[in-house]
Amino acid sequence: QVQLQQSGPGLVKPSQTLSLTCAISGDSVFSNSAAWNWIRQSPSRGLEWLGRTYYKSKWYNDYAVSVKSRITITPDTSKNQFSLQLNSVAPEDTAVYYCAREGLAGHWYFDLWGRGTLVTVSS
Amino acid sequence: QSALTQPASVSGSPGQSITISCTGTSSDVGNYDLVSWYQHHPGKAPKLIIYEVSKRPSGVSSRFSASKSGNTASLTISGLQAEDEADYYCCSYAGTTTYLIFGGGTKLTVL
Repeated sequence: QVQLQQSGPGLVKPSQTLSLTCAISGDSVFSNSAAWNWIRQSPSRGLEWLGRTYYKSKWYNDYAVSVKSRITITPDTSKNQFSLQLNSVAPEDTAVYYCAREGLAGHWYFDLWGRGTLVTVSS
Repeated sequence: QSALTQPASVSGSPGQSITISCTGTSSDVGNYDLVSWYQHHPGKAPKLIIYEVSKRPSGVSSRFSASKSGNTASLTISGLQAEDEADYYCCSYAGTTTYLIFGGGTKLTVL
């Protein structure tokens, strides 16, 4: 059974870096078909796609314009996981963060989601 | 780019059918057959129920169906059951600048 297990702190101070990890079981971050995404949900912004990483002979990333200057999504092939780093966070970045698998990269639907991590940005 | 427009709430009685609309623009819903729908019970992981406008993943009930006309996509749930009470979100690809946008979500209440 394919699962995504999220981990990371639930509280981050303003101006610091938000870091979350999504461990993959039952699939591979090296998959030639899938892409690995981060999505967040907040009352003010609803669901917001943040970005993705995927492998097709080499690693690729796509990022949402709204966070492009602050975001990095990185695969960790040794641990079969991928991570999210969001720099210079502000209270507006408070949200539930989900990792999600795009089963067929480029088809833009998410067939598997993590349970979500509530991240609060507060001093 | 603005979120796709969904009604904030819909309701129906058990056994009835309801339809949730999702209105975008010619830059997203109207331009790509890459609309998907998700069911979300609060506190749980969202669940894919429709992809590529009208395709149903394996294991999803045939009571869920969807279509698209112009800039508006629609999700229909027939034979409403109590377990269908959840939030529903649409999502559309929007090109290589915006990539992806979601609807604001619709809360379905089964009366």
